[in-house]
Amino acid sequence: EPEVTQTPSHQVTQMGQEVILRCVPISNHLYFYWYRQILGQKVEFLVSFYNNEISEKSEIFDDQFSVERPDGSNFTLKIRSTKLEDSAMYFCASSDPGIAKNIQYFGAGTRLSVL
Amino acid sequence: QKEVEQNSGPLSVPEGAIASLNCTYSDRVSQSFFWYRQYSGKSPELIMSIYSNGDKEDGRFTAQLNKASQYVSLLIRDSQPSDSATYLCAVNIGGAGTYKYIFGTGTRLKVLA
Repeated sequence: EPEVTQTPSHQVTQMGQEVILRCVPISNHLYFYWYRQILGQKVEFLVSFYNNEISEKSEIFDDQFSVERPDGSNFTLKIRSTKLEDSAMYFCASSDPGIAKNIQYFGAGTRLSVL
Repeated sequence: QKEVEQNSGPLSVPEGAIASLNCTYSDRVSQSFFWYRQYSGKSPELIMSIYSNGDKEDGRFTAQLNKASQYVSLLIRDSQPSDSATYLCAVNIGGAGTYKYIFGTGTRLKVLA
């Protein structure tokens, strides 16, 4: 069964450093998303991406964040200068709204720890 | 601010009982509703989707939607200890062309053996 894959599973970084979280969405999906979940809190939408551009973003997704689809398979989230409060689980998801009414499939997540 | 509300629980039910999980949402134009299960430290896993008023059944799970009351629920029949997890209500907030999910805080379910 197709799945969304994310790497790495755990990323430890120092405050102020740049991190790149990687995702391979399901191959025939057209929409890609990043969500984050701070420990003990709700899953929060960060950004959606379609046709090589951002389609929506939340207030959380400020200038420190960027997304890219550098090739035909990967979808990345970059945090330029990490802060302590960026520590969270980051989930990538993908969907094909035209076929499956926007059912989003989530990857296993990357746990980001900012020290 | 468009919201999705859930009781955080924990909701404790004995094995074999029916667990009833509830969710309300604030945006009347929402069209798509989803229940995900999340085990501790894991990612959300889709349980059910529902788009029309009424009931939708899939095995031991039944989703119920009432758009007039802005209410969606999930019933789990014959609850098993393996059903113990946090159940997330997700709503595709907004109209056509908007695909982001807004999640509730989740309801923690404990099924007691």
